[in-house]
Amino acid sequence: DQQVKQNSPSLSVQEGRISILNCDYTNSMFDYFLWYKKYPAEGPTFLISISSIKDKNEDGRFTVFLNKSAKHLSLHIVPSQPGDSAVYFCAASKGGSEKLVFGKGTKLTVNP
Amino acid sequence: NAGVTQTPKFQVLKTGQSMTLQCAQDMNHNSMYWYRQDPGMGLRLIYYSASEGTTDKGEVPNGYNVSRLNKREFSLRLESAAPSQTSVYFCASSVVFYAPRLSGNTIYFGEGSWLTVV
Repeated sequence: DQQVKQNSPSLSVQEGRISILNCDYTNSMFDYFLWYKKYPAEGPTFLISISSIKDKNEDGRFTVFLNKSAKHLSLHIVPSQPGDSAVYFCAASKGGSEKLVFGKGTKLTVNP
Repeated sequence: NAGVTQTPKFQVLKTGQSMTLQCAQDMNHNSMYWYRQDPGMGLRLIYYSASEGTTDKGEVPNGYNVSRLNKREFSLRLESAAPSQTSVYFCASSVVFYAPRLSGNTIYFGEGSWLTVV
């Protein structure tokens, strides 16, 4: 039973355009959400997070939106750059738990 | 600026052999983890340790043992390796934070260990 779902295995966008990566969750107890970026042959790196008390969090070109009623979050990258090409993982946790539940990832390709 | 360091980076084992993956973190984090990543499966938690002296099973613990040696170090042992354990293994650490109406946990990963069991 997948509690965190990334339904698009891959996404391709043009340099300079917006990339939108989506994530759905089923457990209404999740209250903290994160995005990680992973390059080949490297470990995942933390990108941005959002708590359930917010519906938006920005960090430079990266913005995460949370829609609690729809149990949906999205990561917007504007403008997209070729260096953003990587696999992006969505993750969620509840109540300060040590356990993060990860989605299966979306491979983003930004074409020059 | 080491963060989470894991060794070895690459290893080839024969079925039935044993080995230990070592991990150390220098961020003074309480919690440490071992994940595996397989194609199409995302990141799956094998074991974690919320604090020194404690360990708990994650999603896929069978075939593995762990030791939280001290606050810095958390090792993963394969007692009798099987081809199904061919994977990329990531060690990670984190600090859980608590605040009014807000709590969370941000995990920081090591570079990964590529293990092949033949």
